[in-house]
Amino acid sequence: DAKTTQPPSMDCAEGRAANLPCNHSTISGNEYVYWYRQIHSQGPQYIIHGLKNNETNEMASLIITEDRKSSTLILPHATLRDTAVYYCIVRANTGNQFYFGTGTSLTVIP
Amino acid sequence: GAVVSQHPSWVICKSGTSVKIECRSLDFQATTMFWYRQFPKQSLMLMATSNEGSKATYEQGVEKDKFLINHASLTLSTLTVTSAHPEDSSFYICSAFPHMNTEAFFGQGTRLTVV
Repeated sequence: DAKTTQPPSMDCAEGRAANLPCNHSTISGNEYVYWYRQIHSQGPQYIIHGLKNNETNEMASLIITEDRKSSTLILPHATLRDTAVYYCIVRANTGNQFYFGTGTSLTVIP
Repeated sequence: GAVVSQHPSWVICKSGTSVKIECRSLDFQATTMFWYRQFPKQSLMLMATSNEGSKATYEQGVEKDKFLINHASLTLSTLTVTSAHPEDSSFYICSAFPHMNTEAFFGQGTRLTVV
């Protein structure tokens, strides 16, 4: 599976949009981009995933560049409860294992 | 979404003893489950893939005789840490998929402390 690169930490003001970038320049054509988050001492929580089109659900939006080498997770109105470590993972649709990178620690500031 | 449950949420054991952690898929069947370990301030590390009715597949560097995995049914996988030592203290997390090629759902994790 392709590796991902994320900034180690970010801050965001409460109520503002949080934009979390992820670089996956070696992604293959059959690999999806998944986003999970982990709040302290809990299991990871699924947020969203996509292949090449932009995706939106009730939690977030996922913007994937046309060349698919990077993506951005957008939390439209960050709240204090969004403080967590966010993981960007690429995974082939033929496999099931998720390999986690180092993630981005997002702190939402009041 | 689908629910994966772990038990216990936390456990303290004495060095040299064995500890069993359960992972259950509550509303779906899972032929495959995954076990992760997470040390403080680090990311999740995949330990092994648990396969229902067959042997588990371990990641490189993970001792299969120390971390025994049993996947006896389509809704239950167990991880037994044998002869636990303080360095085995960690956060253990399992995951499973309701369907192939979909998102994984994770348990809430088990905090193991070996004293």
